Amino acid sequence: EIVLTQSPGTLSLSPGERATLSCRASQSVSRGYLAWYQQKPGQAPRLLIYGASSRAIGIPDRFSGSGSGTDFTLTISRLEPEDFAVYYCQHYGSSPRFTFGPGTKVDIK
Amino acid sequence: EGQLVESGGGWVQPGGSLRLSCAASGFTFSSNEMNWVRQAPGKGLEWVSYISGRSKTTYYADSVKGRFTISRDNAKNSLYLQMNSLRAEDTAVYYCAREYSYGYANYDYYYMDVWGKGTTVTVS
Repeated sequence: EIVLTQSPGTLSLSPGERATLSCRASQSVSRGYLAWYQQKPGQAPRLLIYGASSRAIGIPDRFSGSGSGTDFTLTISRLEPEDFAVYYCQHYGSSPRFTFGPGTKVDIK
Repeated sequence: EGQLVESGGGWVQPGGSLRLSCAASGFTFSSNEMNWVRQAPGKGLEWVSYISGRSKTTYYADSVKGRFTISRDNAKNSLYLQMNSLRAEDTAVYYCAREYSYGYANYDYYYMDVWGKGTTVTVS
């Protein structure tokens, strides 16, 4: 079973700043199996990035994903007030079918 | 793009049962694989179960195997999760989510692109 580790646990930044979130897998994974989700309090997760670097429909271009192998990154180029949330990376596998990282909370500094 | 609406959550005593439903609209439900994902209070996301479009294949997380059963009724555009022998640790918000997959340029892609708003299950 692949384990995903996210860092940092919490990222305190100001609007307009750049956010860099890390997701590390316990072994090499296919880019196609790596996705990122955003979750705001009291809301369902929302797909941001799939295939490690492709933006989902309606996602602003300030969100970008990169990486390969075991190391993946979600970057928010300039934080908007609505971007303060928790971000999860997710891996598709055989068992369990989907695994999530523990999340990174981006909060207002 | 599609919409999912969960229902059936509530309070139940340990050892009890509950059946969750998820109503789909806006897409061809029978053509899509579906999942249940849960989130305990203050915790992260945990995948629970999967079902293929024609119900031929199902998968479960080890934590619920033998106690939960996923099913679907394509004629009713509905997904279900029968939860038996409930435990305190099953307390969570339960989301249904559409799985999307495709292959392109030597890669296969898998992700969950449509999510419901969730239904809360409390076991105590």
